[in-house]
Amino acid sequence: QVQLVQSGAEVKKPGASVKVSCKASGYTFTSYYMHWVRQAPGQGLEWMGIINPSGGSTSYAQKFQGRVTMTRDTSTSTVYMELSSLRSEDTAVYYCARDPKIVVVPAAIAEEGIFDYWGQGTLVTVSS
Amino acid sequence: DIQMTQSPSTLSASVGDRVTITCRASQSISSWLAWYQQKPGKAPKLLIYKASSLESGVPSRFSGSGSGTEFTLTISSLQPDDFATYYCQQYNSYFRTFGQGTKVEIK
Repeated sequence: QVQLVQSGAEVKKPGASVKVSCKASGYTFTSYYMHWVRQAPGQGLEWMGIINPSGGSTSYAQKFQGRVTMTRDTSTSTVYMELSSLRSEDTAVYYCARDPKIVVVPAAIAEEGIFDYWGQGTLVTVSS
Repeated sequence: DIQMTQSPSTLSASVGDRVTITCRASQSISSWLAWYQQKPGKAPKLLIYKASSLESGVPSRFSGSGSGTEFTLTISSLQPDDFATYYCQQYNSYFRTFGQGTKVEIK
């Protein structure tokens, strides 16, 4: 069965960076796009960006451009999301979420735009 | 960005009730709308995509309808497992956006 297992909770100081991992299993890792979505405490959901695990292509929401980097390691079926210059407003649960569209072109981003499997979430707390 | 507005924000209902949640888009999104259910401390779960298509494994008491700018999620007979927060999400524009959520509480 499809599983997305994320790394554990993190506490960071303002200005620092955090790197969250998401290990996929139960399907062919390079065949499905992966998104990152975050949720601040008691708030709604916010889409951050997407990575094509096959070719490594990425696309980020404008709000996070310049601060977020998504990468993947095909040897371990793991995607990573690194967020830099952290501020208190970045305190949130970060989720990886798979897109159901099959990757056809390794270098392209052509996903469906919905999220059919989710990781369990990683709480990132930014506090001085 | 396309703004998604859900109503109501909170809904109190009893087991067996028919429940309807509305989601409005700030501009037309055709049928590119999904619905998710989220329980406290858990990740969201996909229920409906393309406005009315039921995700595999989701009970048939859940249904979605609408197109353009107005959409509804209906639970035909509320079950104890359905008390949760529900989010709509548009995927017409590349910047995916969610509604603010509707919490379904026990009356």
